[in-house]
Amino acid sequence: NAGVTQTPKFRILKIGQSMTLQCTQDMNHNYMYWYRQDPGMGLKLIYYSVGAGITDKGEVPNGYNVSRSTTEDFPLRLELAAPSQTSVYFCASSYHSTGSAFFGQGTRLTVV
Amino acid sequence: AQSVTQLGSHVSVSEGALVLLRCNYSSSVPPYLFWYVQYPNQGLQLLLKYTSAATLVKGINGFEAEFKKSETSFHLTKPSAHMSDAAEYFCAVSDQNTGNQFYFGTGTSLTVIP
Repeated sequence: NAGVTQTPKFRILKIGQSMTLQCTQDMNHNYMYWYRQDPGMGLKLIYYSVGAGITDKGEVPNGYNVSRSTTEDFPLRLELAAPSQTSVYFCASSYHSTGSAFFGQGTRLTVV
Repeated sequence: AQSVTQLGSHVSVSEGALVLLRCNYSSSVPPYLFWYVQYPNQGLQLLLKYTSAATLVKGINGFEAEFKKSETSFHLTKPSAHMSDAAEYFCAVSDQNTGNQFYFGTGTSLTVIP
């Protein structure tokens, strides 16, 4: 059972480039989340989804987009990368909105 | 609005000593509370969670936390620290009013001194 799988693990982007961070879960969870983690700031929610076809903004959505075409996949798109998007990104999933969240291993992104 | 405050961004304890990591929350309705641990270069792992069944919650690796409504606290404790406990610890809250979101504290880095 793989749980939550994120790819890639590391990436360096140049300013203005775009990329997609992939996230897949095999636990049939309805809820999926994207967080970014910056030193001393904890985790900030970027976007979340309560099921296929439904997404909503979190606390820090600017500069990002998501889609949820299937229960399993929840990709995060960065358009026009900026240095402020240098961070560690975590995808998570849960069965209920108040249930335990399972996290991926993270993607370390650097924008130069 | 919901929020979580973790007092002390860095805590150091000697091996074998008591571990106490503090978490206070704000919520207008009964909360669901969680403690997660993050080891270097890893994702977050659930240590324990409170969902209103019992105020004292036992988790993995000998950790436990007590929900105190009067103090709006959910502090994490472990009687005897082990070297392997060195990690970053996050407290999180959610409730029926958070719109399906978890709110995380800023984290506490635990160092265990041999």
